[in-house]
Amino acid sequence: EAGVAQSPRYKIIEKRQSVAFWCNPISGHATLYWYQQILGQGPKLLIQFQNNGVVDDSQLPKDRFSAERLKGVDSTLKIQPAKLEDSAVYLCASSSRTTGGETQYFGPGTRLLVL
Amino acid sequence: AQSVTQPDIHITVSEGASLELRCNYSYGATPYLFWYVQSPGQGLQLLLKYFSGDTLVQGIKGFEAEFKRSQSSFNLRKPSVHWSDAAEYFCAVGAFGNEKLTFGTGTRLTIIP
Repeated sequence: EAGVAQSPRYKIIEKRQSVAFWCNPISGHATLYWYQQILGQGPKLLIQFQNNGVVDDSQLPKDRFSAERLKGVDSTLKIQPAKLEDSAVYLCASSSRTTGGETQYFGPGTRLLVL
Repeated sequence: AQSVTQPDIHITVSEGASLELRCNYSYGATPYLFWYVQSPGQGLQLLLKYFSGDTLVQGIKGFEAEFKRSQSSFNLRKPSVHWSDAAEYFCAVGAFGNEKLTFGTGTRLTIIP
């Protein structure tokens, strides 16, 4: 079974530029998550999708971050414009249901450096 | 709101020695508890999880964890560590009815020969 795929693996941009990350979850997983992991911290949930609908985006900085999950499969996370404090690893995860306790499977992450 | 505390930022253990990583959680009801491991440049891999039932949970790679409700703890243990166990370990708590996980800040494990 293929795991969660993410691209690119690394990205370096200058502040005020825009950037997009792509995630392909495990086949058949209805729930998809984007996490932000700042160096030295644990992952923080940015947004959770159930199929193509948003379940929780309470911690997503909506003035600069956006995410979509067209057709309930792949997802894209965008930052526009980027700030220095956005430097982090962006992790995508998926799980098969939303009733609680289901294992989340994580991709390798995209490491973003904003200069 | 749920929260997780991992009091040890960095632990160094000799290869072959036993290991215990501490995790304390805060949640108003019975939590779902998880331990994940992250190797450098990699995503997170689930080691084990607790939902209900037996409070001693067995996981992959020889790890186990014990849920102690009275102490609000879910400590991770391994009787004998291997050099390949060097990584970052994260404890997480989830809530009944949804999948939102709250992670601790992690414990970095270094193994010395």
